[in-house]
Amino acid sequence: EIVLTQSPDTLSLSPGERATLSCRASQSVSSSYLAWYQQKPGQAPRLLIYGVSSRATGVPDRFSGSGSGTDFTLTISRLEPEDFAVYYCQEYCCSPKTFGQGTKVEIK
Amino acid sequence: QGQLVQSGAEVKKPGASVKVSCKASGYTFTDYALHWVRQAPGQRLEWMGWILTGNGDTKYSQNFQGRVTISRDTSASTVYMDLSGLRSEDTAAYYCARDRVFRGVVYPFDIWGQGTMVTVSS
Repeated sequence: EIVLTQSPDTLSLSPGERATLSCRASQSVSSSYLAWYQQKPGQAPRLLIYGVSSRATGVPDRFSGSGSGTDFTLTISRLEPEDFAVYYCQEYCCSPKTFGQGTKVEIK
Repeated sequence: QGQLVQSGAEVKKPGASVKVSCKASGYTFTDYALHWVRQAPGQRLEWMGWILTGNGDTKYSQNFQGRVTISRDTSASTVYMDLSGLRSEDTAAYYCARDRVFRGVVYPFDIWGQGTMVTVSS
């Protein structure tokens, strides 16, 4: 079972700043099956990125994903007020479809 | 595009069972697998298991083996998650989510239910 570790746990930034979130896997992620989700309080997660770098339908282009093997990054180029949330990475190739522990992006 | 609508919040006593439903609409039910994911307050998302809606095959996380049963009713486009032997640590929001394998490519959880809060308390 792959273990995903996200860093940092919390990122304190101002609107307009760049956010860089990290996700490290305990072993190589098969066929780039790495996704990122955004979750706001009281809501279900929302798919942002899949296949490491493909944006889901309707996701703004300020969100981008990169990486390979065991190290992956979600970048938000300029934070908008609606981007302050918790972000999870997920390895979705095979069961169990594990998630990282999340990174909270909060307003500084 | 599709939608998943879950049943309402539940309050259960320790040792009891809970059954949560997830009704799909807006897409061909059997084209997608359905998964259950839970989230205890302030905790990470935890995958519980899935069902292939076409043939009913299931797979469960070892963390829930023996306590969770996932089933489906294709005539109602609905999937059910039954969790038995409830304890206080099972207090969480439970989500259903769909994914698919298409032409050999695995796709992630693109649509989620709204979540069902299950509270276990004496």
